[in-house]
Amino acid sequence: DAKTTQPTSMDCAEGRAANLPCNHSTISGNEYVYWYRQIHSQGPQYIIHGLKNNETNEMASLIITEDRKSSTLILPHATLRDTAVYYCIVRSSDSGYALNFGKGTSLLVTP
Amino acid sequence: KAGVTQTPRYLIKTRGQQVTLSCSPISGHRSVSWYQQTPGQGLQFLFEYFSETQRNKGNFPGRFSGRQFSNSRSEMNVSTLELGDSALYLCATSGGVVSGELFFGEGSRLTVL
Repeated sequence: DAKTTQPTSMDCAEGRAANLPCNHSTISGNEYVYWYRQIHSQGPQYIIHGLKNNETNEMASLIITEDRKSSTLILPHATLRDTAVYYCIVRSSDSGYALNFGKGTSLLVTP
Repeated sequence: KAGVTQTPRYLIKTRGQQVTLSCSPISGHRSVSWYQQTPGQGLQFLFEYFSETQRNKGNFPGRFSGRQFSNSRSEMNVSTLELGDSALYLCATSGGVVSGELFFGEGSRLTVL
């Protein structure tokens, strides 16, 4: 699976959009981009995933560049409960569930 | 719908002992994966089971082993415990509608003294 690069940490004011970038320049054509987050002392939680097109669900939006070498997770109106470590993961559909979580981005949402 | 259940939640062992951790998946989920989380190494994949067969294995020594039963419940075992095995062990199951979506339990926190 392709390697990802994320900033170590980010801050965001409550109510503002949080934009979390991820670089995956070696991504292959059959690899998806997944985002998970882990709130302190809990197991990771799935957020969203995509292949080529932008995706949106009740939690977030995922914007993938046309060349698929990078993506951005957008939390449209961050709340204090969104403070967590966010992981960007690249995975092919036939690779099972051996996910490489990397170090992720620690997002701090401030009042 | 019950979530992923891991037992025990907390345990303390001494070096040289062994430990068995249990994971009960969400009903209908047939894939069970195990991860180790430490402050230094982050989340690392241990192994994955599907229909009682190990499908993937991470880069861990043979002291770490696992198995899956016919009801999809899984156990992992760590023998000859070392101080460095102190970690949060997370179980994740899949079988939901979204391919690649893992559902994690709250973990078993192991402390080795």
